[in-house]
Amino acid sequence: ELVLTQSPGTLSLSPGESATLSCRASQSISRSFLAWYQQRPGQAPSLLIYGTSSRATGTPDRFSGSGSGTDFTLTISRLEPEDFAVYYCQQYGSSFQFTFGPGTKVEIK
Amino acid sequence: QVQLVQSGAEVKKPGASVKISCVASGYLFTTHDIHWVRQAPGRRLEWMGWINAGNGQTKYSQIFEGRVSLTFDTPASTAHMELTSLTSEDTAVYYCARGAWNYDLLIGEPAFDIWGQGTTVIVSS
Repeated sequence: ELVLTQSPGTLSLSPGESATLSCRASQSISRSFLAWYQQRPGQAPSLLIYGTSSRATGTPDRFSGSGSGTDFTLTISRLEPEDFAVYYCQQYGSSFQFTFGPGTKVEIK
Repeated sequence: QVQLVQSGAEVKKPGASVKISCVASGYLFTTHDIHWVRQAPGRRLEWMGWINAGNGQTKYSQIFEGRVSLTFDTPASTAHMELTSLTSEDTAVYYCARGAWNYDLLIGEPAFDIWGQGTTVIVSS
C-alpha cells in the first residue's frame, strides 16, 4: 500500500515570504498522478495543482509544483493572507484508489 | 456554474446507517465520476470511493469495503453515499467531489476539481 508523508507538519511564515512544502511517496509514482489541494479553515478542499506541476483553473501563478519519483514539492512564492491554510498532496495509485497525505499547515508567524 | 450541493447535517446512534446526497449542477452529470472523501476532526482527508455516474461502476477504499455503498439517480443528477454500522469513529465531515476526467471528451486528470460543501455526521449515543 502506497503511503504519502508530508513535511513539515506546520510551517510558520510571514506574508510575503516563500513556502516550500514536501510530499514523499513510499514508492515511485507517475508525475501525472500527483495533485495538491488547499483547505482553508471551515471550507472544503480545492484543487490547486494536478499532474505534479499544472495549475488548476483559478490557481494563482505564485503556486508551483515540481518533483518526480517519490519526492514532490509545492512552492508558494510571496505568501498572501489567503494562502495560510492546510495543503494536502494526493496520489492516484494502483487498483484505481486515491490516497491523501497528512497535510502541511501554513500558519502566520 | 458547476457545483455540488450536499444534504444537511446528520446525528446518528451507533449501529445506525447514514445516507448523504450530493446534487450536481452546471455540467452533464453522466460524464464525470463522483468521489467521496471524509475528514474526521483534526484528521487528514480520507478517500472512501468513487462511482462512475455514466455506467455505475464503483471502486471502494479497502478501509470502507463492505460498509459503504455509492449510488446515483441520473434524472436528478444526484449521487448518494450510504455508510452502515456507524461508530463514533465515523464522526466526520463527508465530502462529495467531482473527478476531473471527462468521459465524453476524454480529457482531464486524476484529481477532484469540484467539491461539495461537506456534510457533518455525528455518531453519538
